[in-house]
Amino acid sequence: NAGVTQTPKFRILKIGQSMTLQCTQDMNHNYMYWYRQDPGMGLKLIYYSVGAGITDKGEVPNGYNVSRSTTEDFPLRLELAAPSQTSVYFCASSPRQSNQPQHFGDGTRLSIL
Amino acid sequence: SQKIEQNSEALNIQEGKTATLTCNYTNYSPAYLQWYRQDPGRGPVFLLLIRENEKEKRKERLKVTFDTTLKQSLFHITASQPADSATYLCALDINSMNTGFQKLVFGTGTRLLVSP
Repeated sequence: NAGVTQTPKFRILKIGQSMTLQCTQDMNHNYMYWYRQDPGMGLKLIYYSVGAGITDKGEVPNGYNVSRSTTEDFPLRLELAAPSQTSVYFCASSPRQSNQPQHFGDGTRLSIL
Repeated sequence: SQKIEQNSEALNIQEGKTATLTCNYTNYSPAYLQWYRQDPGRGPVFLLLIRENEKEKRKERLKVTFDTTLKQSLFHITASQPADSATYLCALDINSMNTGFQKLVFGTGTRLLVSP
């Protein structure tokens, strides 16, 4: 069982470059999330989606964009990368019902230099 | 302001002892509280969930308590083992009761080190 798969695992970008972080899940979960985790900080929600075609901003959306064209995939786009976006990015998914755990991928470690 | 606080200092205990981790929060009214384990270089893994009307939840060597008056959750690992060494995150579900959509707010985590 693959669960939530994130690619790439590591990436170094130059300031001003763009990239897309990929996330796919094979559990048929309706809800998907993107978080960033910085040292000494809790996971911060960037964007989330409650189903294909529906996305919304989380706590720290600036500098990011998302799309959800299928149930399985939820890519995160960084436009004009900035050093402040150096972080570890986690994608997660959960079933439609409340009171359910979130399933996380193993993250993408991104450095902007 | 809204805050979730977990002890930022690592907790060092000896194998076989009970580890107790604390999660305190202010200005939230969570419907549920969840605990996750995170190993270095990995994503968080779900451990336990407790509802606001439950006082205690157990799973094997794990026990979670939830006191909505104190605004505190305690996470216990009994008979701890070196393999329990990891960072443990608490997360408040602050949205489910209103919209059905789960929105988790995470603490910063406490690192547990169990020595043989």
